[in-house]
Amino acid sequence: GESVGLHLPTLSVQEGDNSIINCAYSNSASDYFIWYKQESGKGPQFIIDIRSNMDKRQGQRVTVLLNKTVKHLSLQIAATQPGDSAVYFCAERDPSSGNTGKLIFGQGTTLQVKP
Amino acid sequence: EAGVTQFPSHSVIEKGQTVTLRCDPISGHDNLYWYRRVMGKEIKFLLHFVKESKQDESGMPNNRFLAERTGGTYSTLKVQPAELEDSGVYFCASSQDGQAATNEKLFFGSGTQLSVL
Repeated sequence: GESVGLHLPTLSVQEGDNSIINCAYSNSASDYFIWYKQESGKGPQFIIDIRSNMDKRQGQRVTVLLNKTVKHLSLQIAATQPGDSAVYFCAERDPSSGNTGKLIFGQGTTLQVKP
Repeated sequence: EAGVTQFPSHSVIEKGQTVTLRCDPISGHDNLYWYRRVMGKEIKFLLHFVKESKQDESGMPNNRFLAERTGGTYSTLKVQPAELEDSGVYFCASSQDGQAATNEKLFFGSGTQLSVL
């Protein structure tokens, strides 16, 4: 079946450094991608999204890059802070479900920020 | 405005027992979703309600799982009988629009951590 996967289960970075979290997806029909942040004891929280007609989208301290040629998605966090420590999930909207909230998630990357 | 609330936050039961999880979506949200994360793996879709109707239940693992949303407000997810492999975190999410251009308006609850011993 189709899946969205992350390359690394854990990423450890120094406070102040930039973080890059990667994700590979397999469904070439996918046209909408999202990054979620899940802090301990909380549910996934929307960070940023990108449509397949874009290569890059920037938010506050975060940037998402999409490479459709190799089906690769990445999340860049600038000047990583202790509050960024969490599990990060990439997700794609299931293309067979229309524009609903039915998502296909990757396995998640745990970001650890060292002070 | 209250967010999506789930109850209980944790549940520990023995294999063969029954557990019922509850989700209260944000008021006015017609769309309600159940997801779960098992064994630290990816979060997987279980089903989608539009009001009280099941729009998509393709992710339900087997007939031990029963989801209901009587009256189109809160939803329950019952596991009967529970098996060891059902352990994980069960998330509920809600949105007002079923056909949403973006996912910014899809809100997740904090989840129920289910442990089957």
